[in-house]
Amino acid sequence: GAVVSQHPSRVICKSGTSVKIECRSLDFQATTMFWYRQFPKQSLMLMATSNEGSKATYEQGVEKDKFLINHASLTLSTLTVTSAHPEDSSFYICSARLPGAASLEAFFGQGTRLTVV
Amino acid sequence: AQTVTQSQPEMSVQEAETVTLSCTYDTSESDYYLFWYKQPPSRQMILVIRQEAYKQQNATENRFSVNFQKAAKSFSLKISDSQLGDAAMYFCAYRGGANSKLTFGKGITLSVRP
Repeated sequence: GAVVSQHPSRVICKSGTSVKIECRSLDFQATTMFWYRQFPKQSLMLMATSNEGSKATYEQGVEKDKFLINHASLTLSTLTVTSAHPEDSSFYICSARLPGAASLEAFFGQGTRLTVV
Repeated sequence: AQTVTQSQPEMSVQEAETVTLSCTYDTSESDYYLFWYKQPPSRQMILVIRQEAYKQQNATENRFSVNFQKAAKSFSLKISDSQLGDAAMYFCAYRGGANSKLTFGKGITLSVRP
């Protein structure tokens, strides 16, 4: 199957700083990638849909100025948590689908555990 | 809006036994797809099985099978011959035909007793 690589797997940052998380499709081009947030023992909450070459579409309640998404190429999307605070500590997961309307399966990155101290 | 409901937060099964995880969904669309994802302690999401709504036949993948009841909007996952490695969180997910977003249920934590 297709591989989605997410980096870093763990990051600790100080409150007030920014942190960038990368999501790469290693063996396919992904015109659309998705960013999720997951709290312990809870479900995945979609934060935004990242579209290559255009602005991301954010879900209701997600601060677009805080969670900056850039999808500059067909294989890379980045999520930057700006001015991070302890409440931003969470597990962030990206996913991508193979191009084409016939593609059904979403492939997920390994996730990034963000801890803001 | 589409919703996915997993009402059981936890289940436990004896190794080698069979367990069924329930899932219901609500949609007004006629064309959609349903999925079961597994999230082990590593937290890597793994696709277990998928079902296209237009297919009447229930999907099967080795020890995993689904009971898809379209009229009842029910999509349960049956795990046969449960193994210790099946212990994980399982998520039921919905994707509309015209919308590429996945909507997840709350998930169920499955434990397997040796």
